[in-house]
Amino acid sequence: AQKVTQAQTEISVVEKEDVTLDCVYETRDTTYYLFWYKQPPSGELVFLIRRNSFDEQNEISGRYSWNFQKSTSSFNFTITASQVVDSAVYFCALSDLANKLVFGAGTILRVKS
Amino acid sequence: GAVVSQHPSWVICKSGTSVKIECRSLDFQATTMFWYRQFPKQSLMLMATSNEGSKATYEQGVEKDKFLINHASLTLSTLTVTSAHPEDSSFYICSVNRDRLTDTQYFGPGTRLTVL
Repeated sequence: AQKVTQAQTEISVVEKEDVTLDCVYETRDTTYYLFWYKQPPSGELVFLIRRNSFDEQNEISGRYSWNFQKSTSSFNFTITASQVVDSAVYFCALSDLANKLVFGAGTILRVKS
Repeated sequence: GAVVSQHPSWVICKSGTSVKIECRSLDFQATTMFWYRQFPKQSLMLMATSNEGSKATYEQGVEKDKFLINHASLTLSTLTVTSAHPEDSSFYICSVNRDRLTDTQYFGPGTRLTVL
């Protein structure tokens, strides 16, 4: 069975601090996809990034960066110089070949000014 | 812009009534849509996979007679919560697998159902 663990329930930081959200996954599939979604207070999930299991290159997009390590089954997400607008719930998710998404419990990020 | 819409965005109903929620793919013909449920302060749980022109595939533990899914066209899937009860109160979200090459799902804005 597939499983995604986000051990951090809630993180609070002060604006401009860097913050890393952890994600650990379990799967028996050799081909799979990992995702990060942001859910602001409005409720609508916003797609942030997708990674397939064969691509371990780290990625940077503006203030966001992702570290994918198959050896530790982790797909961590770092926000550099956090801003108040980054406050949201962040979900890590794993999909199988049937396109079914399994979500982690989510991490609430609160950025204070 | 938004690629998936849902209607209504929120609904309050009395116990025992049925509620229909619509999910539309705005710029993509989707043969497959997904329905999720999210309880307050919890994660999203996949309820069912909606298949255009055929029966939906329900996840284990989801009552197919209670949560009726109809995917009558390539741009519209509906979820009907039949004989709703307070425990059905939740945030219902649909998604479209818009990019099959990358398996990326795009989500609708969600529908908040409150059953009194």
